[in-house]
This record gives sequence, C-alpha cells and structure tokens, in this order.
Amino acid sequence: EVQVVESGGGLAQPGGSLSLSCAPSGFTVSSTYMSWVRRAPERGLEWVSVISTGGAVHYADSVKGRFTISRDNSKNTLSLQMNSLRAEDTAVYYCARGGDTFGSSRRPFDSWGQGTLVTVAS
Amino acid sequence: DIQMTQSPSTLSASEGDRVTITCRASQSINNWLAWYQQKPGKAPKLLIYKASNLESGVPSRFSGSGSGTEFTLTISSLQPDDFATYYCLQYSSYSTFGQGTKLEIK
Repeated sequence: EVQVVESGGGLAQPGGSLSLSCAPSGFTVSSTYMSWVRRAPERGLEWVSVISTGGAVHYADSVKGRFTISRDNSKNTLSLQMNSLRAEDTAVYYCARGGDTFGSSRRPFDSWGQGTLVTVAS
Repeated sequence: DIQMTQSPSTLSASEGDRVTITCRASQSINNWLAWYQQKPGKAPKLLIYKASNLESGVPSRFSGSGSGTEFTLTISSLQPDDFATYYCLQYSSYSTFGQGTKLEIK
C-alpha cells in the first residue's frame, strides 16, 4: 500500500528556519518526481517545489532562494529546508508523489501525506 | 507562468443536483488537467487526470471534459459525501492550481 507521512512542522519566528521531512512507503523517492504543496489558511493549494528523478529541482517564485528541496535515497526520504520564513509561509505543507510536467506519461499528484502545519509568527 | 482561473468560487446545491465547475488556463495546456476534491483536515484526493480520465476508485458520477484552455468537472447527481472543495491543476508546465470551488449544501 502506498503511504506518505510528513513530519517536522511547528512554530517558527519570522526570519527563522524549519525543516520538513517526508517518508513514503510503497515506492521510492528516487523512482518518481516528488513535490511539496501547501495550503495557507483560507487560501487554496499552492505548489511549492519539485525534485525530478534525475535530481533537478524547481521552486515557486514565492519560495525561490529561501527553500531547498532534497532527498536521501538511502533513507527513502524527502526534505524541505525552509529559511528566512515569513508570515505568509504559514500553511499546511503536503508531500506528494508527482510533479513531472514534461514526460509523455506524466501523472498529476496522486499520493499525498496528511500534511504538517507550519506557523510563522512572533 | 500558466495561470488557472476557476469558477465559481462557491456553489450552493442540493443532493441529487447536477453541478459543473469550470477552469480556464491562460494558455493551452493540451489535456494536462487534473481535478481534486479536498475535505477539511484531509489531503486532496485525485478525481480526474488528463482532463477526462477517471482515477481508479472514483465514482462514475464524476466526469471531466475539455481541452486546450477550457475544462469542466461535472458531478451528475450530488451525494452527501460530495460537499467539499474542488481544485483544478494544470501540469503542462510546472504545476498551478485553480483558486478552488467550495461546494455547499443549499
């Protein structure tokens, strides 16, 4: 059975840092595109970042230069390092399988974690 | 960047109604369009991919259509479990979600 579990959310001060982690089961992070998606309070879903099977990374303009996506193939985990946090980064962050927007057989995000809440406030 | 405009933002309907939600892309995305359902406190659930393909396990009352820049999600006969928020997603060039449609009980 495919399952995705996130961890690492919490409270951070503006300008601070947090690191999120995602541990899937039923598939390996190295075999598929993996993404982070967030939903801010009273707002819709926003794609944040993706890492390809080849290791290429891409970010939404809103987080570029502040967030870093990475994966550890030996541990089968995905991470999101969030620096220079702002109030507007407050959201539930989801780890999701998918994010390939170039392949002919691409799939949309089809397996999601339960989400982890990040709150940025002083 | 591709922008997605979803309408309406809120939709009030009754059980048994047929409802339609629309998404418009700022440029052609071919058929790289998906639809999701999200309930409070839950992860989004994939309903439709590649504009009109029903994801495994999704009831057949859900259907999708469209191509290019105009897409629709139709629920043929609303069930109590369908009252939720719906999002479209373009995955033609990176990923962009629509603003969401909250489907409420009338």
